[in-house]
Amino acid sequence: GENVEQHPSTLSVQEGDSAVIKCTYSDSASNYFPWYKQELGKRPQLIIDIRSNVGEKKDQRIAVTLNKTAKHFSLHITETQPEDSAVYFCAASPHDAGNMLTFGGGTRLMVKP
Amino acid sequence: EAGVAQSPRYKIIEKRQSVAFWCNPISGHATLYWYQQILGQGPKLLIQFQNNGVVDDSQLPKDRFSAERLKGVDSTLKIQPAKLEDSAVYLCASSLGGGVWETQYFGPGTRLLVL
Repeated sequence: GENVEQHPSTLSVQEGDSAVIKCTYSDSASNYFPWYKQELGKRPQLIIDIRSNVGEKKDQRIAVTLNKTAKHFSLHITETQPEDSAVYFCAASPHDAGNMLTFGGGTRLMVKP
Repeated sequence: EAGVAQSPRYKIIEKRQSVAFWCNPISGHATLYWYQQILGQGPKLLIQFQNNGVVDDSQLPKDRFSAERLKGVDSTLKIQPAKLEDSAVYLCASSLGGGVWETQYFGPGTRLLVL
């Protein structure tokens, strides 16, 4: 089955700096890679996703890049704000597994004002 | 649009007791998922339903966990008997269909503590 590794487990940045979170996956058949944000005590919410037919996707301050050859993908947050503080999870879904997501272990992002 | 609803929000039980969780997906969503999220970890899929049929339950500990979605809408997840290691947040999610690339919407979760 799929295995997703996520790094770092914690990340502390100053407000206005950029943050990068990286994930690697094991199943070359995976072709859908969503990122979820989970604030303390709240439900995970999708913030951005990328499909295997594109290498990069951007939505305002958030971007995701995908390298299928190396089997890794990354989340980039620019101009971080205190409200970006949360736990971020990457996930991967193999094409032949319906919509089954395998999640990484999470990254706790702390943005210091 | 109403989101995914779950109840109860919190539950404390003693080991070897039974517990049940309820989920109501977003209206019209055919696919429903149950995840277990242990503190400090990412969600782990337990079972996926497409309407009232099971798509995958390979990670469901079937000796103690069971789930059903009899009418293809609401779902219940049961643990009987509970163990200490079952302490976790149980998240329900739904998506419109079961196809790849479809967004999964999560409910608020049920936080279970087994003493």
